[in-house]
Amino acid sequence: LAKTTQPISMDSYEGQEVNITCSHNNIATNDYITWYQQFPSQGPRFIIQGYKTKVTNEVASLFIPADRKSSTLSLPRVSLSDTAVYYCLVGDNWDGQNFVFGPGTRLSVLP
Amino acid sequence: GAVVSQHPSWVICKSGTSVKIECRSLDFQATTMFWYRQFPKQSLMLMATSNEGSKATYEQGVEKDKFLINHASLTLSTLTVTSAHPEDSSFYICSARIRDFYEQYFGPGTRLTVT
Repeated sequence: LAKTTQPISMDSYEGQEVNITCSHNNIATNDYITWYQQFPSQGPRFIIQGYKTKVTNEVASLFIPADRKSSTLSLPRVSLSDTAVYYCLVGDNWDGQNFVFGPGTRLSVLP
Repeated sequence: GAVVSQHPSWVICKSGTSVKIECRSLDFQATTMFWYRQFPKQSLMLMATSNEGSKATYEQGVEKDKFLINHASLTLSTLTVTSAHPEDSSFYICSARIRDFYEQYFGPGTRLTVT
């Protein structure tokens, strides 16, 4: 199981770009990296997933270096509604079921 | 698309009783469903994985006789907390996957309070 490490909390201001880094030194060859967003008393919501290099969708980008021992979620121009907990998940997305959620990063976006 | 519902959204029960939580995939067939537990200010902890028609696989430290999981169809999984105690009070979240697709689709969660 890949154990992950994230900053416990981050503060940002509206309109800024936010980068949250997750460390996963023991990532396995078959493991993918997935980021989720969670608001209080709600289930997590998928943000983005990647295996290597860079992935971009309409809400975020995910940067993964060649050694895959870390990954960075980039949120462009955050707004107040982006205040949430962000989780880095590393695991085998096939029939292997041992997903390990990281501790999460509590992002606070200030006006 | 890919909506997962849970019922009930919150439940209060007395110590020693059992409570059942349902997880449904509304618009897709879920070959695999996961059950998580989340305590306040903490991360999600995977409790068990269930594949349709098979017995659930429980994570280490999770009592399978206490947390009964049934995945009888491709759209429904249930978690029954038997003989609940106050320490079982938590936020229970299910998720579902379609075979060969990467994403987990999470339900909204169920808040269980045992008095």
